[in-house]
Amino acid sequence: DQQVKQNSPSLSVQEGRISILNCDYTNSMFDYFLWYKKYPAEGPTFLISISSIKDKNEDGRFTVFLNKSAKHLSLHIVPSQPGDSAVYFCAARGNFGNEKLTFGTGTRLTIIP
Amino acid sequence: ETGVTQSPTHLIKTRGQQVTLRCSSQSGHNTVSWYQQALGQGPQFIFQYYREEENGRGNFPPRFSGLQFPNYSSELNVNALELDDSALYLCASSLVGSVHEQYFGPGTRLTVT
Repeated sequence: DQQVKQNSPSLSVQEGRISILNCDYTNSMFDYFLWYKKYPAEGPTFLISISSIKDKNEDGRFTVFLNKSAKHLSLHIVPSQPGDSAVYFCAARGNFGNEKLTFGTGTRLTIIP
Repeated sequence: ETGVTQSPTHLIKTRGQQVTLRCSSQSGHNTVSWYQQALGQGPQFIFQYYREEENGRGNFPPRFSGLQFPNYSSELNVNALELDDSALYLCASSLVGSVHEQYFGPGTRLTVT
């Protein structure tokens, strides 16, 4: 049962343009959402997060949007840079009494110079 | 500030053997979580430890066990290894009740032959 889904395994974007990565979830108990970035041979690195009480959070070039009614979130990167090429994971945390994260399967983003 | 470290980096074991993976938490963090990432998948939650006690477990059999030590370092033990246990094992530390972000180590790549 895949509770967090990233339906696009890969995405290619021209340098300078906007990258939009999407994520859907099914569990209404999730109350916090995070995006992680992963380079080969490294662990995931925290990028940005959003609480379920908000619909937008911005940090520099990165903005996460949350649509609770649609159970959908997206990560916008603008402008995209070659160093943004990595695998991006969407993750969700629920009010389950622990810090368990449920991850999606990831989207490989390639920025084309 | 020291980040999350894991050892060993790579490991090859034979089916039926036992393995111990180690993790040192980021300084000041009191919670450690373990994840298994199979090829092409997102990390899957194995279990979490807080104050040396298991605090939540994912859908993994009892042959996956763990320990957390007073200095917040941790071990993951897997008995009776199976071929499907081949994966990247990630350790993540966090500070419970503070921020929601988990900080990941680089992982241990386990190959079972």
